[in-house]
Amino acid sequence: KAGVTQTPRYLIKTRGQQVTLSCSPISGHRSVSWYQQTPGQGLQFLFEYFSETQRNKGNFPGRFSGRQFSNSRSEMNVSTLELGDSALYLCASRGAGANVLTFGAGSRLTVL
Amino acid sequence: KNEVEQSPQNLTAQEGEFITINCSYSVGISALHWLQQHPGGGIVSLFMLSSGKKKHGRLIATINIQEKHSSLHITASHPRDSAVYICAVRSEYRNKLVFGAGTILRVKS
Repeated sequence: KAGVTQTPRYLIKTRGQQVTLSCSPISGHRSVSWYQQTPGQGLQFLFEYFSETQRNKGNFPGRFSGRQFSNSRSEMNVSTLELGDSALYLCASRGAGANVLTFGAGSRLTVL
Repeated sequence: KNEVEQSPQNLTAQEGEFITINCSYSVGISALHWLQQHPGGGIVSLFMLSSGKKKHGRLIATINIQEKHSSLHITASHPRDSAVYICAVRSEYRNKLVFGAGTILRVKS
């Protein structure tokens, strides 16, 4: 079956702009989580959604937001971009009752 | 002090060597994950453990809940094992993943 699909794979924005990233989970998976990876901070948890509800949130400012749709696809949005938001953004999905995560290839955001 | 500590940070091995990567954590957990990340970014989940030991091919993962410690072993290492290996724990109370800084493994032929 198809894996976790993230779009776009690469994007370049300028400071102050906003960006929306998309994640389509494995068919049947209702849980989607998002992560930020930077050289300085490593991998950090952003948020997790299950059945359109945010279940958990990491320690990121309110400029970072997300949502999940009824088909389990998820989007995350970053407003008022800062240089420090340049990172690889990864999403992962998992099935009901499972802890094993399947990751997407990531969206690499560069903020100039 | 980070909640999840990995050692070593960097590891270079000769093809065929037995490799051990360690992970120590300081919080109560419901599960521990070992992840592999190749250059280019893609992450693959290798193991999810809550107790004992798991084996998949040349990879073995163990966890000691009382000591809050896990190890990832690679037997008969191969250059294609070169990657970053990341330990992550799902905190029991906060129910979210906390990651170690990763171990960069290079296996030379």
